[in-house]
Amino acid sequence: DAGITQSPRHKVTETGTPVTLRCHQTENHRYMYWYRQDPGHGLRLIHYSYGVKDTDKGEVSDGYSVSRSKTEDFLLTLESATSSQTSVYFCATALSGTDYEQYFGPGTRLTVT
Amino acid sequence: KNEVEQSPQNLTAQEGEFITINCSYSVGISALHWLQQHPGGGIVSLFMLSSGKKKHGRLIATINIQEKHSSLHITASHPRDSAVYICAVGAASGSRLTFGEGTQLTVNP
Repeated sequence: DAGITQSPRHKVTETGTPVTLRCHQTENHRYMYWYRQDPGHGLRLIHYSYGVKDTDKGEVSDGYSVSRSKTEDFLLTLESATSSQTSVYFCATALSGTDYEQYFGPGTRLTVT
Repeated sequence: KNEVEQSPQNLTAQEGEFITINCSYSVGISALHWLQQHPGGGIVSLFMLSSGKKKHGRLIATINIQEKHSSLHITASHPRDSAVYICAVGAASGSRLTFGEGTQLTVNP
């Protein structure tokens, strides 16, 4: 295991509230990713980071922002949660790009009511 | 058309059967990943390959770069193999993976 934790593991929030999910890793991996998983869709990339303060958008980045101020932490923020953001969110890390194995966190189940 | 297509979407087998899950992709890649998602939701990497074949226990993964196709085989299947198997591809020198929708495998005793 790459020692990846996510917090919280479960959250219920109301529409319009801000939400921050945290991914923490202990492996000193350079790359970190945030995905969402929904029925009928594969894992979809929200944002990723290729180093401290270096981030880029994925295919479903609207409504999400990220920050990475230190190697071990990657934060995903929903500025104003909507019901369409109800999903399971996975964090993953990799030593480098896609030629390296990705290690996944346990997931966060977010419900926006 | 999705960049990564898996077949079948659902597969039910009897314990002991040989199982094959297929993955086709439409882009040039540097590596293909097979992942397993347990019923509890956790995701683990099974294989990463860019050519040929890899084996780990009862699992075998193959890739044909020219045909843009990969297969995951499970020999002597067991109920504990029941899971969702996910194929993902990474573009050459890329930073991100593109995922298939997954294959739900159920192995009955």
